[in-house]
Order: sequence, then C-alpha cells, then structure tokens
Amino acid sequence: DIQMTQSPSSLSASVGDRVTITCRASQSINTYLSWFLQKPGTAPKLLIYAASSLQRGVPSRFSGSGSGTDFTLTISSLQPEDFATYYCQQSYGFPPWTFGQGTKVEIK
Amino acid sequence: EVQLVESGGGLVKPGGSLRISCAASGFIFTKAWMSWVRQAPGKGLEWIGRIKSKTDGGTSEYAAPVKGRFTISRDDSQNALYLQMNSLKTEDTAVYFCTTDKTYSYDSSGYLRYWGQGTLVTVSS
Repeated sequence: DIQMTQSPSSLSASVGDRVTITCRASQSINTYLSWFLQKPGTAPKLLIYAASSLQRGVPSRFSGSGSGTDFTLTISSLQPEDFATYYCQQSYGFPPWTFGQGTKVEIK
Repeated sequence: EVQLVESGGGLVKPGGSLRISCAASGFIFTKAWMSWVRQAPGKGLEWIGRIKSKTDGGTSEYAAPVKGRFTISRDDSQNALYLQMNSLKTEDTAVYFCTTDKTYSYDSSGYLRYWGQGTLVTVSS
C-alpha cells in the first residue's frame, strides 16, 4: 500500500497568516492527490483534488501544488473558520486509497 | 444538492453483525462509484471499500483489515448503498462515512467529493 506522510502534525497560526502543509507519498502518485478539511464532529470536506484543482465552492485562498511524491496545501490568509484538521489522500491506480495522518491547525 | 445520509449504526457485541445504509440524492446514483471510509474515535481517516456502478461491472474492493468480513452492496432502484459488517471486532468501532468515489463521468476514481454525516458503530461487550 502507498503510505502518505504529512508534516507538520500540528501547527499554531494567527488569522491572516500564510499556512503551508506538506504531504509525501511513499511512491510516485502522479497528481492523484486530494486535500480535505475536517472540523470536530463533522464529515471531511473536499478542498482540492488532482493535486491542484479547487473543489466547487471552496474559497480561492486554498491552493494545492505538487506531483510525483511531494505535495503542498497552502492557505494564503488563514481565516477563523479554517482552524481544523487537514488530511491528504492518494487515489493512484487501484485501491486501497490511503490518507495522511492529519495536520491540526490551531489558533496561536 | 448532493445529499448522503447514513443510518443503522449502533452498539453490537464482538463477533456480531450489523448493516448500515446510505441514502443518496442530488446526483445520478446509478452512474456513481461509491466508497465507505471510517474514523475511529480520536483517530484519522481509513478507506475501507469501494463499489463500482453496475454499468462499470458493479464489483467491489476492500481494505485488508475488513476483507472477507465486510460486504458493500447497492440498490440502484432505491438510490441506496449498504455496508454489511460481519465478525465485528472492537477495533471496528468508528464513525462510518459513505462517500462518492467517482461522482461524474469525467472524474477519476478516488476523488471523494461528497460525504455523509456518518453513523457511529460501537463494538463492545
């Protein structure tokens, strides 16, 4: 199975900060990489798919980049509603799809 | 608007069985591939299985921890997805989410665009 490793596991930031989260795959996954946001007690929400495509309705302050094994999620200006846990997920080839362990973004 | 609503979760004893359901609306369910993802309390996300549309073969694939114990099925006449869980273990305790796996014809499989709110399954004696 393809292993996904996110860093950092957690971070503290202020409203208005630029935030970057990275995700590394254990083998090349081309651009079959998605990013999700999850708030406590709610379902994950798709932000980015195909490494850099913004899901409909997601604010443009979210962006994704990368290909192969290294990927980045960037929030250009952190908003109060962005404090949450973020997950990357690969969907290369055949299942199983696998997720990173999550990055918790907290208020500084 | 796409809606996925899970139901049927609850408390079950180790070794027992449970079937949970997902009611879908707002998209062409018959053409969609669907997945189940679970989340143990305080833990991350774990994909557990996928079923293709009937027109694409209707086959299913499973993650290793549940293969041989869990079965995904669908009833296109009811726009419903099911997860039959047998030989349940305490480590199967989790919130179970149904998700779209390939929502549109132009999608690749694995773009988990839409999620239900989840249903909690607790396996305990």
